[in-house]
Amino acid sequence: DTGVSQDPRHKITKRGQNVTFRCDPISEHNRLYWYRQTLGQGPEFLTYFQNEAQLEKSRLLSDRFSAERPKGSFSTLEIQRTEQGDSAMYLCASSSDRNYGYTFGSGTRLTVV
Amino acid sequence: GIQVEQSPPDLILQEGANSTLRCNFSDSVNNLQWFHQNPWGQLINLFYIPSGTKQNGRLSATTVATERYSLLYISSSQTTDSGVYFCAGHGSGNTGKLIFGQGTTLQVKP
Repeated sequence: DTGVSQDPRHKITKRGQNVTFRCDPISEHNRLYWYRQTLGQGPEFLTYFQNEAQLEKSRLLSDRFSAERPKGSFSTLEIQRTEQGDSAMYLCASSSDRNYGYTFGSGTRLTVV
Repeated sequence: GIQVEQSPPDLILQEGANSTLRCNFSDSVNNLQWFHQNPWGQLINLFYIPSGTKQNGRLSATTVATERYSLLYISSSQTTDSGVYFCAGHGSGNTGKLIFGQGTTLQVKP
């Protein structure tokens, strides 16, 4: 098992462009989470999937953000019409029902210029 | 109010020293976890510790759930221990969301 994988590691985009990030969780984990982290802050919750169902969504996730987990395996996070305030590290994590301990991926660092 | 509070915010140690990091959490938080974020940004889960004591090498953690606090002990610190230590817990109800503290930034000097 290679842990939680995120792709790409870095993304630089122009304001107004759309971006999509991918997360592959640990295969036995049915829970998947997206967080956002800005410099000097702890991670902030964005959304949570149990299998393919999106069970929880933060108010931080505006209508420009959408996340999917179509087959209960990998997940994508899309940001439409990016803004400079979207610049952050986007972290994905997974866990199982038997052990709520999270495993985080290495993150995708987004820079909007 | 603040749901997860960590202290101290910053800590500088000489290599070989021991330290204790504290996490206080409110009634609405449970299932405590401790993470280490290295200088490259990778978050590593150190302990999932809703209650009791666990040890892993030079690190150990104790959570006293009835008194709403958790402690992370680092013994014989090494420069590779540098980074930010976060504690986090689940909010009340059937939520998957982890609520993070603001972190303790540790610098271990050689």
